[in-house]
Amino acid sequence: RKEVEQDPGPFNVPEGATVAFNCTYSNSASQSFFWYRQDCRKEPKLLMSVYSSGNEDGRFTAQLNRASQYISLLIRDSKLSDSATYLCVALMGGSARQLTFGSGTQLTVLP
Amino acid sequence: NAGVTQTPKFQVLKTGQSMTLQCAQDMNHNSMYWYRQDPGMGLRLIYYSASEGTTDKGEVPNGYNVSRLNKREFSLRLESAAPSQTSVYFCASSGPNEQFFGPGTRLTVL
Repeated sequence: RKEVEQDPGPFNVPEGATVAFNCTYSNSASQSFFWYRQDCRKEPKLLMSVYSSGNEDGRFTAQLNRASQYISLLIRDSKLSDSATYLCVALMGGSARQLTFGSGTQLTVLP
Repeated sequence: NAGVTQTPKFQVLKTGQSMTLQCAQDMNHNSMYWYRQDPGMGLRLIYYSASEGTTDKGEVPNGYNVSRLNKREFSLRLESAAPSQTSVYFCASSGPNEQFFGPGTRLTVL
């Protein structure tokens, strides 16, 4: 079983739609969580951190449920530029700050 | 600041050849990492270095070696390339709140 699991998609949604991605993690010792965005043939870049209280950054909302070991990302009013692969990431902590990545969920926003 | 830089961007090797992937960061980060990314597998950690002078194995270290040359540079060496090492390789360095990635090296082993 993968340590971080995501629905690979693809998700194809029309512009303006709301779309939600889910992620589960198996290691309860994971300390922090993030969503990274990866454009085709590019490097991953941090989209947002995920806090237990939930957090919002513009059209993006991230939620964490430690009891269920579940993370989500909600994108409202989708734009064409949101088309990318979204990676769910868990941090084990320690001095090396090792990250464990999900395999990613592919989103295509259609005009 | 250039951030994290990697060379080369593309490489084609024959089975059994060796090569070194170079990585450098100018953000004064202590921790650096090498990942490989394969379709459907996500990023998998090959080796990491928590600080200058230390290196440790990640999830998939077999067939690779690394050198943390100084605080800025962290290289990945394939001593005898195999087709299973065809992949996209990313170097990263870690700040307090996020990891920053280089642009990647696309390696094909024939």
